[in-house]
Amino acid sequence: EVQLVESGGGLVQPGASLKLSCVASGFTFSDYWMSWVRQTPGKTMEWIGDIKYDGSYTNYAPSLKNRFTISRDNAKSTLYLQMSNVRSEDTATYYCTRDGGSGYYSSHWFAYWGQGTLVTVSS
Amino acid sequence: DIVLTQSPVLAVSLGQRATISCRASQSVSISSINLMHWYQQKPGQQPKLLIYRASNLASGIPARFSGSGSGTDFTLTIDPVQADDIAAYYCQQSRESPNTFGAGTKLELK
Repeated sequence: EVQLVESGGGLVQPGASLKLSCVASGFTFSDYWMSWVRQTPGKTMEWIGDIKYDGSYTNYAPSLKNRFTISRDNAKSTLYLQMSNVRSEDTATYYCTRDGGSGYYSSHWFAYWGQGTLVTVSS
Repeated sequence: DIVLTQSPVLAVSLGQRATISCRASQSVSISSINLMHWYQQKPGQQPKLLIYRASNLASGIPARFSGSGSGTDFTLTIDPVQADDIAAYYCQQSRESPNTFGAGTKLELK
């Protein structure tokens, strides 16, 4: 059974940094592209970015590219999201997602989602 | 960015057909490949993939769900609607980066 378990969320002050983690199980992590998607309290969904199965390539939403960094450790089956200089508008539930298929190219649909971790940015 | 427009709410009776639409600001199809996907989200839960590439049923999804469309207009159909289907439904395009989502359609009981 595919499982994605996020952690690292919480209350953080504006301007701070935060690193989210997602531990994967139930599939060969190193075979799949992975993405982060966030959902605001108003339920708006936003794709943050993705990372190739071997970690050699990342792609980001342009609006977030300068502040967010996605990485992975295939030996630990773990995906990361480093957030810097956070703002109130970054308040959201952050989901780790697995790509729809294994392969050189991403399918760009999100076949599995974690339960999410809530990040609240407030002073 | 490609903008996806969904109606906010759809009211339906149990046992009837629900048709949820998603309109893209530009075509999300490449040749015959329609790069539109659908998700279901129940309150307090993470989204779940229902349909990928417009008409392909994801693993484990009941056959009462189906998807259709091409170009800029896409539809998710639930027939017949069951009580367990009351949820929010989101479309997502992958024709162009960044991937974008619709604002969601909340399926409610009439």
